[in-house]
Amino acid sequence: QKEVEQNSGPLSVPEGAIASLNCTYSDRGSQSFFWYRQYSGKSPELIMFIYSNGDKEDGRFTAQLNKASQYVSLLIRDSQPSDSATYLCAVNMGPGGFKTIFGAGTRLFVKA
Amino acid sequence: GAVVSQHPSWVICKSGTSVKIECRSLDFQATTMFWYRQFPKQSLMLMATSNEGSKATYEQGVEKDKFLINHASLTLSTLTVTSAHPEDSSFYICSARDTGLRGGLGYTFGSGTRLTVV
Repeated sequence: QKEVEQNSGPLSVPEGAIASLNCTYSDRGSQSFFWYRQYSGKSPELIMFIYSNGDKEDGRFTAQLNKASQYVSLLIRDSQPSDSATYLCAVNMGPGGFKTIFGAGTRLFVKA
Repeated sequence: GAVVSQHPSWVICKSGTSVKIECRSLDFQATTMFWYRQFPKQSLMLMATSNEGSKATYEQGVEKDKFLINHASLTLSTLTVTSAHPEDSSFYICSARDTGLRGGLGYTFGSGTRLTVV
């Protein structure tokens, strides 16, 4: 089992729709969870982080965490073509939670 | 916010030569830095954890003698790809942890280095 799993996609949504990205992780002891956006040929940029069960909202983005199910998701409301990118789920693991392990990423296409 | 500078942004080298990549934390001290490698259309793979003043910790399957890591100061870590071969061609990215910030806020990525070995 991979440590962090994501559906590779691509996920295609029309402009203005809600994009839903999902991620599961294997280490039940993980405490820190992140969503990064990566454009082709660029480094990842942090969109959101979440530590506690439940929802966390930041503008058009909402992260959801369910530690019991070892599941974290990202919702993008009012999707824009500029949101088209690969979204990486990342989880801090290991002693002290110092290692960030990335999922394979989900490619999102927002159609104008 | 925290800034990590990575150089060079791209490099082309001949097979058999060595290439050094630098990662600097510009406005914070980083006791720990991480080196990742990303092949096309794949995710970031953690190669090693660089610890200031001590030996790096390599992930399973990563050759420590091939990928030399030096973290001699609190603001600089270097990755040297020795005797590079075409299969080493990849996108190398560093990240640094600002120990002054809480948890994930402390992880900032460099802009990456595109290495092409010909």
